[in-house]
Amino acid sequence: DVKVTQSSRYLVKRTGEKVFLECVQDMDHENMFWYRQDPGLGLRLIYFSYDVKMKEKGDIPEGYSVSREKKERFSLILESASTNQTSMYLCASRSPGQSYQPQHFGDGTRLSIL
Amino acid sequence: QKEVEQNSGPLSVPEGAIASLNCTYSDRGSQSFFWYRQYSGKSPELIMSIYSNGDKEDGRFTAQLNKASQYVSLLIRDSQPSDSATYLCAVSRGSQGNLIFGKGTKLSVKP
Repeated sequence: DVKVTQSSRYLVKRTGEKVFLECVQDMDHENMFWYRQDPGLGLRLIYFSYDVKMKEKGDIPEGYSVSREKKERFSLILESASTNQTSMYLCASRSPGQSYQPQHFGDGTRLSIL
Repeated sequence: QKEVEQNSGPLSVPEGAIASLNCTYSDRGSQSFFWYRQYSGKSPELIMSIYSNGDKEDGRFTAQLNKASQYVSLLIRDSQPSDSATYLCAVSRGSQGNLIFGKGTKLSVKP
């Protein structure tokens, strides 16, 4: 089974802090994704990566950056946290190739910015 | 804007009934379709995928796809209270495995 591990289930930070969310997968997947999920807005793609050191902006990249130094690890960075970044953050990974490969999600990090 | 539409619900069915969840999508080029189940406070869990027109069955779950009508559905037979969750429809876009998600349908199965 695919295992996608997010470093924290719950996190509380203050406005202006630099926040790091970590995601590790154990299936040698090349494609990794970061989403945020908010009530009424659904899942929205922040950034994705299809290889080491590669990154692509998703639908809502503003205020975020990412790092992919190793294949198994994809980090989401909030450069200067703001209260509107309070959300559930979900990491996912998938095998490359045909579109029928599904994405597999980690348990999520519920981030609160005070 | 490519979109995926779902009825937000809540959809309430009695235990043992068939629950029918529907999803429409706007991008005719989409090739792959997924249903995820998400319990409150948890992350999405893949339950079904479908790529060809017609039906695909897996236990109590049946996914149905009609590409001409841009419609995909999920049937849950013999619904159980443990099926109570939000069901997310996801549609592939692009060549990198990106997905567009619907906002989900909340299902409630009453004992």
